[in-house]
Amino acid sequence: ETGVTQTPRHLVMGMTNKKSLKCEQHLGHNAMYWYKQSAKKPLELMFVYSLEERVENNSVPSRFSPECPNSSHLFLHLHTLQPEDSALYLCASSQGNPWEQFFGPGTRLTVL
Amino acid sequence: AQSVAQPEDQVNVAEGNPLTVKCTYSVSGNPYLFWYVQYPNRGLQFLLKYITGDNLVKGSYGFEAEFNKSQTSFHLKKPSALVSDSALYFCAVTKYGGSQGNLIFGKGTKLSVKP
Repeated sequence: ETGVTQTPRHLVMGMTNKKSLKCEQHLGHNAMYWYKQSAKKPLELMFVYSLEERVENNSVPSRFSPECPNSSHLFLHLHTLQPEDSALYLCASSQGNPWEQFFGPGTRLTVL
Repeated sequence: AQSVAQPEDQVNVAEGNPLTVKCTYSVSGNPYLFWYVQYPNRGLQFLLKYITGDNLVKGSYGFEAEFNKSQTSFHLKKPSALVSDSALYFCAVTKYGGSQGNLIFGKGTKLSVKP
């Protein structure tokens, strides 16, 4: 594996549930990212954290709330999601060059 | 605005034949270009990058890509395809001085290599 782990790997939730996705990187990197991957669409960058500070928020709805308590951990808190939010959510990390990112295996989210 | 186009949803190749996965980009200024691969049920893996220098860059698993500024292209190539190369391939671009981590990805091309 790549040194970036994500849990859970699969998640099914109703529209009124609250859940959280977790990402952990074991590479000593200082930046972490959340992406959304939907079928036949480009990968969408959602959030970027650098040195535990959020530096990018690409107009993501407030029902997605990120948290980065330290440089190794990144969370995505989910609340009142919509069926169109069903997708693969990928976490990534990087060090130095922000363009060479190491990805986790993703969480497959299904919103009913 | 930056953008990446991967014109083919799927590419089919016989094992042992050369393969090409196409990518064109649009960016103001000097582009930085990348290829990533995603195997089933896995995250994306970095394959190679073009930052500056030689237009032909070599990456992992025998892949290479050629930067063509006049055609704004960065096609991924391999001289002899393997069945194990079957995966989803993503081209990405950013520009020098771009926002932290602001990689713009294409929608991906599924490569299928048949024995």
